[in-house]
Amino acid sequence: DAKTTQPPSMDCAEGRAANLPCNHSTISGNEYVYWYRQIHSQGPQYIIHGLKNNETNEMASLIITEDRKSSTLILPHATLRDTAVYYCIVRVATNFGNEKLTFGTGTRLTIIP
Amino acid sequence: DTGVSQDPRHKITKRGQNVTFRCDPISEHNRLYWYRQTLGQGPEFLTYFQNEAQLEKSRLLSDRFSAERPKGSFSTLEIQRTEQGDSAMYLCASSLALGRELFFGEGSRLTVL
Repeated sequence: DAKTTQPPSMDCAEGRAANLPCNHSTISGNEYVYWYRQIHSQGPQYIIHGLKNNETNEMASLIITEDRKSSTLILPHATLRDTAVYYCIVRVATNFGNEKLTFGTGTRLTIIP
Repeated sequence: DTGVSQDPRHKITKRGQNVTFRCDPISEHNRLYWYRQTLGQGPEFLTYFQNEAQLEKSRLLSDRFSAERPKGSFSTLEIQRTEQGDSAMYLCASSLALGRELFFGEGSRLTVL
């Protein structure tokens, strides 16, 4: 499985953009990059995913480098409710049609008032 | 609430006892997943169902663990002869189709004394 590397923790001021980096240098051509977050004591929540192109939705933007070896999740205007652990995941589709998500330890993002 | 629901949310048991967790996925989702999360770590894949068929199991799923999804709707995860190392959060997730995001429940936290 392609592995991802994320900084263990980051701080961001409330109202500013939070930029969370992720390295996935061994990613294969047909593997997607997914981002989930987990707020304390809750299950993970899907944020966004992409393959090659940059993506944007109501929660965040995902910027993937041209060589696909790294990506950045951008929360444009961070709020206190964005404090969570953010996981960058390379999705592997197995022979059984299973989308096995391999979570790492993620980045603990703290939004500072 | 039409999200993924898990029951019980918390379970404390003595070593050697059997425990069972239940997951009710989002109603139209035919894909169901179980993950396990220990303190400070990201979730780890345990097993995957498509409808009632269990298509993939992680090597983490020892022979003391069994999961079922008898009618392709709710699922149960049973742990026999629990050990202290089984203490973890057990997360259930469901998805509509390949390539669609996983929706996680809030988990069942197991403490084995």
